[in-house]
Amino acid sequence: KQEVTQIPAALSVPEGENLVLNCSFTDSAIYNLQWFRQDPGKGLTSLLLIQSSQREQTSGRLNASLDKSSGRSTLYIAASQPGDSATYLCAVPPQGGSEKLVFGKGTKLTVNP
Amino acid sequence: GAVVSQHPSWVICKSGTSVKIECRSLDFQATTMFWYRQFPKQSLMLMATSNEGSKATYEQGVEKDKFLINHASLTLSTLTVTSAHPEDSSFYICSARVIGRTNEKLFFGSGTQLSVL
Repeated sequence: KQEVTQIPAALSVPEGENLVLNCSFTDSAIYNLQWFRQDPGKGLTSLLLIQSSQREQTSGRLNASLDKSSGRSTLYIAASQPGDSATYLCAVPPQGGSEKLVFGKGTKLTVNP
Repeated sequence: GAVVSQHPSWVICKSGTSVKIECRSLDFQATTMFWYRQFPKQSLMLMATSNEGSKATYEQGVEKDKFLINHASLTLSTLTVTSAHPEDSSFYICSARVIGRTNEKLFFGSGTQLSVL
């Protein structure tokens, strides 16, 4: 059974700092890995999707890496801003499709001005 | 990108009543929608997969008679929590799958916070 763990559960940093969020998964037979952002009381916004054959994806100040063999992914946020404050979720589907996403509990990020 | 509209965004109800949550795909047709729930400080958990025109597939441990799912059209799926109890208080969120030529993406609704008194 796939399990996804995110560390740390919460993180508070001053504005401008670079930071790394960690995600690990127990079953390396994944189709892809996604990072989402969840704002309080709102839905999820997909940030980055890394296919199983890829090692990293970049979007603006965000960079996500994937090491399938070790079951790890990191989300790097450069020059953090107060607007980045949110909960960041990592999710993986089983091999074969994007159904039945298994989510981590998330990392709650607070960027202080 | 594609938009999934979910209503209501929050609801408070008395124990024993039923609550209906709607999810609409606004600018695309969603043959498949997924319903998740999230208890406080827990991860999102898939409840059921809803396919247009057929019965929903429920995950283990989810009561199909309590959580009624209807996906009668390609743009609308509903989740009805019947005879709600305080333990059903949770954040419910839907997502729709869009299959493109080279990949597929999931788009999420804004979620519904249900509080049962």
